[in-house]
Parts: sequence; structure tokens; C-alpha cells
Amino acid sequence: DIQMTQSPSSVSASVGDRVTITCRASRGISVWLAWYQQKPGKAPKLLIYGASSLESGVPSRFSGSGSGTDFTLTISSLQPEDSATYYCQQANSFPLTFGGGTNVEIK
Amino acid sequence: EVQLLESGGGLVQPGGSLRLSCAASGFTFSTYAMSWVRQAPGKGLEWVSAISAGGGSTYYADSVKGQFTISRDTSKNTLYLQMNSLRGEDTAVYYCAKGQSGSSLDSVDYWGQGTLVTVSS
Repeated sequence: DIQMTQSPSSVSASVGDRVTITCRASRGISVWLAWYQQKPGKAPKLLIYGASSLESGVPSRFSGSGSGTDFTLTISSLQPEDSATYYCQQANSFPLTFGGGTNVEIK
Repeated sequence: EVQLLESGGGLVQPGGSLRLSCAASGFTFSTYAMSWVRQAPGKGLEWVSAISAGGGSTYYADSVKGQFTISRDTSKNTLYLQMNSLRGEDTAVYYCAKGQSGSSLDSVDYWGQGTLVTVSS
């Protein structure tokens, strides 16, 4: 199984800050990586697929990069509504696996 | 508008069974792979199972293999998850999830609202 390791597990930042979350795969997954945002009590929402493609309707302050084993989700200018938990997920092989999540808090 | 509406969750005793259903609408159900993803209280996301667009291929997490069965009924636009021999560690919100493309290996672009399964005596 491919293990997905996210860091940090939590981050606290101010409105307008740049926030970067990292996801590392235990072996190469090409660009088969997605990022999701989940708010308390809600279903996850797709932000990024194919490592760097922005899902329709997602604000352009969200971006993804990486390939192989190392990936990054960047929020270029943090907004209050971005307070949530973020998960990466590999879609290279079964079983599909998620990272442990990163909780983003607004200072 | 894509909609995924789960049902069938509830309280069940250890060793019991439940069948979850997910009624899909707003897209051509037969052309997309579907998955179930669960989330234990206060925990992260765990992929449970997937089924190909045509229903001919199924995939399971090791934690539920031999215990859960995924299926789909194209005539009813409905996805199912039959859960047997339930244990406390199966307690979670179960999400129905639509694959982004026709491939079974894919990201999820739509999620249901989730249905809570509680395994307890």
C-alpha cells in the first residue's frame, strides 16, 4: 500500500498569509494526487486533481504542485473561509489512500 | 446538478449487518466509477471500496475485505454497500463518492452528505 504523509498536522496563520501544506507518498505516484478541503460536519470538497489542476469553482488562491513522491498545496493569501482540514489522496493504485490531514486555523 | 443521497445508516449491534444505499442523480451514473469513503469520529478519511463504471470490477480496503460488498444498480442509479459482521471500529460516517472520470482509479469530485453507522451494544 502507498502511505501518504502530510505535514504539518496543523498550522495557524493570519488572514493574507501564504500557507503551504506538504504531502509525501511512500513511492512514486506520478501526478495521481488530489487535495480536498473539509469543514466540520461537512463532506470533503475537491480542490486540486492531477496534482496541479484546479477544480472548477475553486478560488485561484489555491494551487498544487509536485510529481513523483513530493507534493504541495499552497494557499497564496489565506482567507477566513479557508479554515478547514485539508487532505491529500493518491489515485495511483488501490487501495486509495489519504494523508492524515492538516488543520488550518486562522489566527 | 449532481446529487448523492445516502441512506441506511443507524445503530447496529456488534456482529450485525447493514446495507447502505446511495441514490445518484444529475449525471450518467453508468459511466462513472463510484466509491465509499468513511470517517470515524474525530478521525481522518479512509477509503473503503470502489466499483468500476460497469460494475464488473470491485476493490476493497484490507480492513473490510471479505466483510463488505459493494454493488451498483444502473437501472435505479443506486450504489450499495453491504456491511456484515460489523465491529466497533466500523463506526463512522460513510460517504458515497463519485469518481471524476470513468476510471476506477481517480479522485472524487462529488460527495454525498454522509450517513452515520454506529456499532454498539
